[in-house]
Amino acid sequence: QVQLQESGPGLVKPSQTLSLTCTVSGGSISTGGYYWSWIRQHPGKGLEWLGYIYYSGDTNYKTSLKSRLVISVDTSKNQFSLRLASVTAADTAVYYCARDVRPVTGDFGMDVWGPGTTVIVSS
Amino acid sequence: QSVLTQPPSVSGAPGQRVTISCTGSSSDIGAGSSVHWYQQFPGTAPRLLIYGKNNRPSGIPDRFTASKSGTSASLAITGLQADDEADYFCQSYDTSLRGLFGTGTRVTVL
Repeated sequence: QVQLQESGPGLVKPSQTLSLTCTVSGGSISTGGYYWSWIRQHPGKGLEWLGYIYYSGDTNYKTSLKSRLVISVDTSKNQFSLRLASVTAADTAVYYCARDVRPVTGDFGMDVWGPGTTVIVSS
Repeated sequence: QSVLTQPPSVSGAPGQRVTISCTGSSSDIGAGSSVHWYQQFPGTAPRLLIYGKNNRPSGIPDRFTASKSGTSASLAITGLQADDEADYFCQSYDTSLRGLFGTGTRVTVL
């Protein structure tokens, strides 16, 4: 059973870079057809898709965050990471990592999610 | 990137049927992108409820059904139960394969 777990600082100062890692267990991040994704949820709000990375390193980002966001993968550690630069209070949210299943035969949704990690941007 | 629009809330008595709409555009749902649905209880991560053309992951009861037409999709819950009280989100993709989530709907069981 594949499981995901987010990790990283819970408090980040304004203008700094938010860095989070998602560790994949119970399966290989290098399996084809899976897009490893980041989603966030502002307090009391809806879900916001941030971007994904494929094990090959191909990425796709939310347009409005493209200038600040980098998602990377470390296949040797079975991890993928998010770095969001120049954060403000508006980046305070619960951050989730998830597995988006999209083999060549179709797409099957985000079937595995991490429990989420709360990040507060404050001085 | 647009957002998929859902009603903020729907409610129904136990046993009743409720539906949640998800309205997109010709750049996402209307372009043929799949629509998936997620259920989220307070303080927990979302879980996949329905994927693609009305497919349910293991453990999801058939009281939950989905449909899609044109630029919209909908989720129906029949035989509403108290433990269906949660937030529900639709999700699709734009033509550049970027993810999109719906605005979310709170289901209240009266």
